Amino acid sequence: SQKIEQNSEALNIQEGKTATLTCNYTNYSPAYLQWYRQDPGRGPVFLLLIRENEKEKRKERLKVTFDTTLKQSLFHITASQPADSATYLCALDMWGTGNQFYFGTGTSLTVIP
Amino acid sequence: EPEVTQTPSHQVTQMGQEVILRCVPISNHLYFYWYRQILGQKVEFLVSFYNNEISEKSEIFDDQFSVERPDGSNFTLKIRSTKLEDSAMYFCASRARTGLNTEAFFGQGTRLTVV
Repeated sequence: SQKIEQNSEALNIQEGKTATLTCNYTNYSPAYLQWYRQDPGRGPVFLLLIRENEKEKRKERLKVTFDTTLKQSLFHITASQPADSATYLCALDMWGTGNQFYFGTGTSLTVIP
Repeated sequence: EPEVTQTPSHQVTQMGQEVILRCVPISNHLYFYWYRQILGQKVEFLVSFYNNEISEKSEIFDDQFSVERPDGSNFTLKIRSTKLEDSAMYFCASRARTGLNTEAFFGQGTRLTVV
């Protein structure tokens, strides 16, 4: 069956440290992989998109890697801040006329001051 | 900054009643989506819509669900006969002309409570 799993439901780290979140998938062949942030009671907000032929993408304190052999993406937040506390979602972006994308289970990140 | 707007923000309905959730996607976007999120669970794909027709739909999107883009600006999700298990947050999203290579913008959601 198809699955998109993100590591541990909750991740707590100290302010200033690097947070690393994992997204693993099975039985999908995504064209792209996206990362979103979701705050409680609000819609997902787009952060980064990486293509299947890109190994790494950076945006300010964020870094994403994408390994299609391992079927895994890693999402890093460096120099984490309490304001980074949120749920982070990966989404597999599929080929097809609808260009639909499927979300993982999400990881709740808490950055402790 | 352009945004996707959804109304109402909260809807309470009796089981068996019809509900229509409304969305105004970003102007000039061509790809439209509905997702739902049951409290404490993952965001689930319902349906994608392009060129005035459904492109893909999930198993959740059964005959009780329908979508419409009646006037070129609104994008609606109708649930014909609501069930208790339809209680969830429903998110609308849209994407720009280039489709695959662009981010999706989500609305703030409609919280549907079926009683």
